[in-house]
Amino acid sequence: GENVEQHPSTLSVQEGDSAVIKCTYSDSASNYFPWYKQELGKRPQLIIDIRSNVGEKKDQRIAVTLNKTAKHFSLHITETQPEDSAVYFCAAGDNFNKFYFGSGTKLNVKP
Amino acid sequence: NAGVMQNPRHLVRRRGQEARLRCSPMKGHSHVYWYRQLPEEGLKFMVYLQKENIIDESGMPKERFSAEFPKEGPSILRIQQVVRGDSAAYFCASSTRADREGYTFGSGTRLTVV
Repeated sequence: GENVEQHPSTLSVQEGDSAVIKCTYSDSASNYFPWYKQELGKRPQLIIDIRSNVGEKKDQRIAVTLNKTAKHFSLHITETQPEDSAVYFCAAGDNFNKFYFGSGTKLNVKP
Repeated sequence: NAGVMQNPRHLVRRRGQEARLRCSPMKGHSHVYWYRQLPEEGLKFMVYLQKENIIDESGMPKERFSAEFPKEGPSILRIQQVVRGDSAAYFCASSTRADREGYTFGSGTRLTVV
């Protein structure tokens, strides 16, 4: 089955700096890659996603890149703000029936 | 249009008791997915259901766990004879088959086994 690895497990940045989180996947059949943000005690919320026919997608301060050949994808957050502090999860899915999640990255943005 | 509704939000059970977790999908969604999240970990897929059908239960433990999504009413995740290791947050998500956007998750049920 699919195996998704996520790095780093914790990331601390200064407010205004950029943050990058990286994930790799193993199953070439995976074709959909969402990213979720989860605040303490709350539900995971979709923040951005990318499909395998696209190499990059951007939404304001958030961008995601995908390298199908290398089987890795990354989340980029620019101009970080304290409210960006949360746990971020990447996931990989195919045929939209189930997702395999990474282990999460705890992002701390210091004011 | 209410989101995915899960109840209860918090559930405390003694070892050996049964836990029933309920999930009402978003209006118009006929596909339901259950995930388990252990403390400090990512979400792990458990089961995927459509109305009256289990489509994929490859992530369900072989014993004590069962799930259903009846024609009427919410989806139910049932854990019999709970043990301490079952303590976790259980999240439900729903979707339409044609909708390839990410899941909408419910707020989760936090099960504590004492």
